Amino acid sequence: DAKTTQPNSMESNEEEPVHLPCNHSTISGTDYIHWYRQLPSQGPEYVIHGLTSNVNNRMASLAIAEDRKSSTLILHRATLRDAAVYYCILRDLNYGGSQGNLIFGKGTKLSVKP
Amino acid sequence: ETGVTQSPTHLIKTRGQQVTLRCSSQSGHNTVSWYQQALGQGPQFIFQYYREEENGRGNFPPRFSGLQFPNYSSELNVNALELDDSALYLCASSWGQGGGYGYTFGSGTRLTVV
Repeated sequence: DAKTTQPNSMESNEEEPVHLPCNHSTISGTDYIHWYRQLPSQGPEYVIHGLTSNVNNRMASLAIAEDRKSSTLILHRATLRDAAVYYCILRDLNYGGSQGNLIFGKGTKLSVKP
Repeated sequence: ETGVTQSPTHLIKTRGQQVTLRCSSQSGHNTVSWYQQALGQGPQFIFQYYREEENGRGNFPPRFSGLQFPNYSSELNVNALELDDSALYLCASSWGQGGGYGYTFGSGTRLTVV
């Protein structure tokens, strides 16, 4: 079972910021927080990951709570192309094989209105 | 740098038949994972191959099998197809058996079993 909890769906207006929450109360000290997104008719796409500190890249920012039991993916200016299912995944990079695989939940379906 | 390519994109098979799906890894990646995604669900891990050997498996029966070739491309074989095998099959490549810091997914093969 997925070890994260996300809202089933969210709506945003184009060009406004979007904050996608994720709860992971059972996170261990070696779990990284990964975000992937899946656009319609495509495979999942890596967005960002982090361990303890907030992270930024060209796609998004990741804000991690001090106790690491929750995190928020931030899209600074949503576009219509950001409409997708967003998955928050915990992953221990110390493990390979089946333990290192990605465990997907149902994710959050983000709709972006023009 | 080429991404992950999968073939075919769509396939229709009859219950009881066998099917082979193919995947070409992203250049520089040596690990391949396969996922099954039923409609409306997140992807589920089937197995992973590293250096031509299976090194991790999810909760799938032995009729799901695979191969990885010296050029790191991969095949997923499913025998004795069942109606519930209808799904999107995703291939993901990465560097290292732990998956490194991100997987690159293909767009998938949509398998329909009738």
